[in-house]
Amino acid sequence: NAGVTQTPKFQVLKTGQSMTLQCAQDMNHNSMYWYRQDPGMGLRLIYYSASEGTTDKGEVPNGYNVSRLNKREFSLRLESAAPSQTSVYFCASSEGYSNQPQHFGDGTRLSIL
Amino acid sequence: LAKTTQPISMDSYEGQEVNITCSHNNIATNDYITWYQQFPSQGPRFIIQGYKTKVTNEVASLFIPADRKSSTLSLPRVSLSDTAVYYCLVGAETGGGADGLTFGKGTHLIIQP
Repeated sequence: NAGVTQTPKFQVLKTGQSMTLQCAQDMNHNSMYWYRQDPGMGLRLIYYSASEGTTDKGEVPNGYNVSRLNKREFSLRLESAAPSQTSVYFCASSEGYSNQPQHFGDGTRLSIL
Repeated sequence: LAKTTQPISMDSYEGQEVNITCSHNNIATNDYITWYQQFPSQGPRFIIQGYKTKVTNEVASLFIPADRKSSTLSLPRVSLSDTAVYYCLVGAETGGGADGLTFGKGTHLIIQP
């Protein structure tokens, strides 16, 4: 039982390059989330998907797009990477939206040069 | 949006009981209170969730007074491995928007020998 799996674990990009971060969960959860965490900071919500077929903006959505491919998978895309997007990205899932414990992946460490 | 306030950091010693308090003055009637633990280079891990009074599991206890404007996470007999960042979240029940998904900076708990 893998839980939430994120790929890749590490990535270095040049400014202006594009990239898609992948996330998959095997717990049959309805809701999925993408967060970023900068040094010394808490997690900030980028986008979330309350249920399959829906996506909504979180606190810091600018520069990102998401796709809820199916119930299992939720991807995050950087169309034109910027140094300010250097961060650790976490994907999470929960059985339902709101008041449901979230299960997190181990993160993707992304550096934009 | 129910904002939470926690101490930035706390120190304690092995074998002691540690209590971390979170303030959430604007908590809504249907909001639950959820605590997460995060180790370096890992995603947050769910610890405990409650609505009122006291909740206990194999890891921690959560105390919530009658007015629900604060909550206290209690870790019994801590060890060095409990050194981590602890986040308090107050969730939104309706699911309309990203309410309750703001982690903040958390409390950095340091356990010394």
